[in-house]
Amino acid sequence: DAGITQSPRHKVTETGTPVTLRCHQTENHRYMYWYRQDPGHGLRLIHYSYGVKDTDKGEVSDGYSVSRSKTEDFLLTLESATSSQTSVYFCAITGTDNSPLHFGNGTRLTVT
Amino acid sequence: SQQGEEDPQALSIQEGENATMNCSYKTSINNLQWYRQNSGRGLVHLILIRSNEREKHSGRLRVTLDTSKKSSSLLITASRAADTASYFCATGAGGKDKIIFGKGTRLHILP
Repeated sequence: DAGITQSPRHKVTETGTPVTLRCHQTENHRYMYWYRQDPGHGLRLIHYSYGVKDTDKGEVSDGYSVSRSKTEDFLLTLESATSSQTSVYFCAITGTDNSPLHFGNGTRLTVT
Repeated sequence: SQQGEEDPQALSIQEGENATMNCSYKTSINNLQWYRQNSGRGLVHLILIRSNEREKHSGRLRVTLDTSKKSSSLLITASRAADTASYFCATGAGGKDKIIFGKGTRLHILP
């Protein structure tokens, strides 16, 4: 399996608090992605990165920010969590734009 | 809106039958990928087909791509109980473009 780790695996937080999810890879892959998965919506892209300090918005980026200061880490921050951000978050990586994605095991976030 | 859309949303078939799922997309792509997700787990890559390819096989899986119709199909032959899962297509234009997933097809194999 590709070396990709998401942390934490589970988190419960209160509305209005900041939350940071971490995706760590040991593959030296260029591309990293954050998706959220909700029933009836499949996977929706939040933000992605195609290199250190190079990031772009996805389909559902409002309320989220990202940071990639080094190749191995891609951080997803919810500045002020809302109940609508309760979801399962997946990180994915790939080395080229013509290669499969490798997914982490997901982070289940509950905002109360 | 999402780039890839799978059809049908849900499919139930008897074990041993073939299962076919379709994916349509809207803009030009570099490649199209199919993934499987078992309940509560991460996604597993099945097949990647490039825009200049028309068909690809992997074991019991066969993927076709018709770029003129902007559509792809995934065929699973001789289905097994272990094939019960959700299946997603994903598309991207390459380079710095994003990779977008559809909503998926839920496949249930009946014993």
